[in-house]
Amino acid sequence: EAGVTQFPSHSVIEKGQTVTLRCDPISGHDNLYWYRRVMGKEIKFLLHFVKESKQDESGMPNNRFLAERTGGTYSTLKVQPAELEDSGVYFCASSQPTRSYEQYFGPGTRLTVT
Amino acid sequence: SQKIEQNSEALNIQEGKTATLTCNYTNYSPAYLQWYRQDPGRGPVFLLLIRENEKEKRKERLKVTFDTTLKQSLFHITASQPADSATYLCALDQGYSSASKIIFGSGTRLSIRP
Repeated sequence: EAGVTQFPSHSVIEKGQTVTLRCDPISGHDNLYWYRRVMGKEIKFLLHFVKESKQDESGMPNNRFLAERTGGTYSTLKVQPAELEDSGVYFCASSQPTRSYEQYFGPGTRLTVT
Repeated sequence: SQKIEQNSEALNIQEGKTATLTCNYTNYSPAYLQWYRQDPGRGPVFLLLIRENEKEKRKERLKVTFDTTLKQSLFHITASQPADSATYLCALDQGYSSASKIIFGSGTRLSIRP
């Protein structure tokens, strides 16, 4: 069974540009989460989808971040315009409907804003 | 708000010994507490979950304890091996009914020397 995949693995952009990160969860996992780890800090929750609906987006830093999950399959996280403090590793995770606590993480996308 | 403290940033022990990692939290008792392993360049991997009404959970060479009075969890790896070298993360649920939004500690980097 394929795990959670994320694309790209690395992205280097300039301040003010736009970047879109993609996450493909494990098939059949209704729950999809985005997390972020900035340098030297712990992994922090951004938001949670149940199928295509946003269940909890309390961790989104500001309105420059937009997450979508059309059709309840893959998800995208867009940062527009990117700022220096957005640099970090963005993780996606998914979990089964009945075992939401057991989250499977992707390898992450390392975003560097220069 | 809930804070998690993991006892040390790094722990270095001899192969064959038992590694013990500590996770302390400061506020409400979570419904469950989890431990993850993270290797460089990879996402966290779920290892064990222990619920608030459980005192101990085992899985192969891993053992987790949960003391809600002390607000502490201990994570043990017995007969440690160099392959156990990684960063270990403690994570708690947020106490909400959905219990799927988790917060992470900053991790303890464990090194097992041959």
